[in-house]
Amino acid sequence: GQNIDQPTEMTATEGAIVQINCTYQTSGFNGLFWYQQHAGEAPTFLSYNVLDGLEEKGRFSSFLSRSKGYSYLLLKELQMKDSASYLCAAMDSNYQLIWGAGTKLIIKP
Amino acid sequence: DGGITQSPKYLFRKEGQNVTLSCEQNLNHDAMYWYRQDPGQGLRLIYYSQIVNDFQKGDIAEGYSVSREKKESFPLTVTSAQKNPTAFYLCASRKLAGESYEQYFGPGTRLTVT
Repeated sequence: GQNIDQPTEMTATEGAIVQINCTYQTSGFNGLFWYQQHAGEAPTFLSYNVLDGLEEKGRFSSFLSRSKGYSYLLLKELQMKDSASYLCAAMDSNYQLIWGAGTKLIIKP
Repeated sequence: DGGITQSPKYLFRKEGQNVTLSCEQNLNHDAMYWYRQDPGQGLRLIYYSQIVNDFQKGDIAEGYSVSREKKESFPLTVTSAQKNPTAFYLCASRKLAGESYEQYFGPGTRLTVT
């Protein structure tokens, strides 16, 4: 079956760094997405990885290891506005997204 | 400004009534999607459409229906056959050409059925 696993909740301190992990099992693989979702709002796109390695985009970076079925989202210099849920989604062989349940990130001052 | 609109943001219905959620996009995207989001669960695909007058069932299509008469519009009807319709419904779209697979989301409709 197809499955995405990510932690339910994480807590971090303002100004610190946090890493949110995601493991996936899909029928075929065409890339891994990270989205940010504030409570009651639409998900917004953060990153897309299809090749192994780290992609950096400002304070956010995303890593992919296809052989391990593993990705992480790294958030640096955390700000209070980063408090949100972070959704991991893998694209299967039919180019459909399989979604994780999301990781709720709580930032404390 | 280009984007996806969903209306209304909040919707209340009595059990046994059908209700239609609207989704409009002016991004000229080919594909459109309907997802349902429940607490503690990932987004689940209800229906999707890649071309006008054609659509496919997702993982949880039972109790829902859609139409795609225009490229810009993809309304979702929640029928009385849907056993647990209270949820947050998200519409999304994406281009099919090119290498961008990113889905763009509307603001969502929170449906409460009592």
